[in-house]
Amino acid sequence: KQEVTQIPAALSVPEGENLVLNCSFTDSAIYNLQWFRQDPGKGLTSLLLIQSSQREQTSGRLNASLDKSSGRSTLYIAASQPGDSATYLCAVDNNAGNMLTFGGGTRLMVKP
Amino acid sequence: GAGVSQSPSNKVTEKGKDVELRCDPISGHTALYWYRQRLGQGLEFLIYFQGNSAPDKSGLPSDRFSAERTGESVSTLTIQRTQQEDSAVYLCASSLGQTNSPLHFGNGTRLTVT
Repeated sequence: KQEVTQIPAALSVPEGENLVLNCSFTDSAIYNLQWFRQDPGKGLTSLLLIQSSQREQTSGRLNASLDKSSGRSTLYIAASQPGDSATYLCAVDNNAGNMLTFGGGTRLMVKP
Repeated sequence: GAGVSQSPSNKVTEKGKDVELRCDPISGHTALYWYRQRLGQGLEFLIYFQGNSAPDKSGLPSDRFSAERTGESVSTLTIQRTQQEDSAVYLCASSLGQTNSPLHFGNGTRLTVT
């Protein structure tokens, strides 16, 4: 059974810092890994999707890497802003789109 | 364009009552998912629909939970004889249904069972 772990569970940084969120998974036979953002009281917004054959994806100030063999992914946020404050979730797809297994999330607070 | 729409946004019900939650996916999305998010916990997979195939119900926690989908459109999640432990946010997502298609989530229905 796939297990996804995110560290740290919570993180508070001053505005402008670069930061890294970590995600690890136990079953490396994945099709893709996705990073989402969740704001309080809202649904999830897809940030980046990395296919199993890819090593990284970039979108603006976000960069996600994938090391499938070691079961790890990182989400790098450059020059953090207060608007980045949210919970960040990673999820892996072992079933070609049937189901995602989610980590518990990292709650990020960026202080002005 | 319109995203995934869920209704109601909030639902308070008494223990033992039945509730029905609705999800309208993005037009053209063949895949539809239901997840549950309990307070302070991660997302739990409940059920997955893909086109006209038989749904994957492997995540439904008990026989009190059921879901239907009409073709490739609206889906309803029904919880019978609600219990307090059913209190959670129920999230619906849809996708194009292909491998490596990103999921698009609705804002969820917050269910409180008193």
